[in-house]
Amino acid sequence: QLHLQESGPGLVKPSETLSLSCTVSGGSISCNGCYWGWIRQPPGKGLEWIGSIYHSGSTHYNPSLKSRVTMSVDTSKNQFSLKLTSVTATDTAVYYCARPIPPGLAPNDNWGQGTLVTVSS
Amino acid sequence: EIVLTQSPDFQSVTPKEKVTITCRASQSIGSSLHWYQQKPDQSPKLLIKFASQSISGVPSRFSGSGSGTNFTLTINSLEAEDAAAYYCHQSSSLPITFGQGTRLEIK
Repeated sequence: QLHLQESGPGLVKPSETLSLSCTVSGGSISCNGCYWGWIRQPPGKGLEWIGSIYHSGSTHYNPSLKSRVTMSVDTSKNQFSLKLTSVTATDTAVYYCARPIPPGLAPNDNWGQGTLVTVSS
Repeated sequence: EIVLTQSPDFQSVTPKEKVTITCRASQSIGSSLHWYQQKPDQSPKLLIKFASQSISGVPSRFSGSGSGTNFTLTINSLEAEDAAAYYCHQSSSLPITFGQGTRLEIK
């Protein structure tokens, strides 16, 4: 059974870079047609798609965050990662990694447990 | 960007009641509409894909319908464990977007 686990700092200072990784187990990140995505949820609010990446490195980003987002894949570690630069308090959220049902970018049938990232000095 | 508008935002219901949540898209999305359930402090769980397709392991009291711009999630004979937030989600065009959510409270 596929399992996704987010990891990274829970506290980031304003203007710095948020960096998270998602480790995939129970399946290969290089599976055919498999995209891997990041979604976030500010406390008490709704869900926001950040972007998705294919194991080849091809990416799709939300235009609202595109200038600050970089996603990457490390097939040797079965991991994919998110970097969000120049963070502010509005980037405080639970960050989820997820895998959509192949092929395609949605819907997501596998989710990590989520990790809370707080932006504060 | 396609905007998804759910109604209601909040509903308080009694067990065994039938519940209907609607999701309206700002433009036609065919059947590329999915529904999730999210309980407090949990990750979202996929309930219905592509408007009406069931998901293995999801109770049969959950069903979906609609196409184009108007979609419905129906919960027949509500159970206490159905207390949660429900989100619709479109994958017709980028950026992928979610509805604002509907919170269901069980009386």
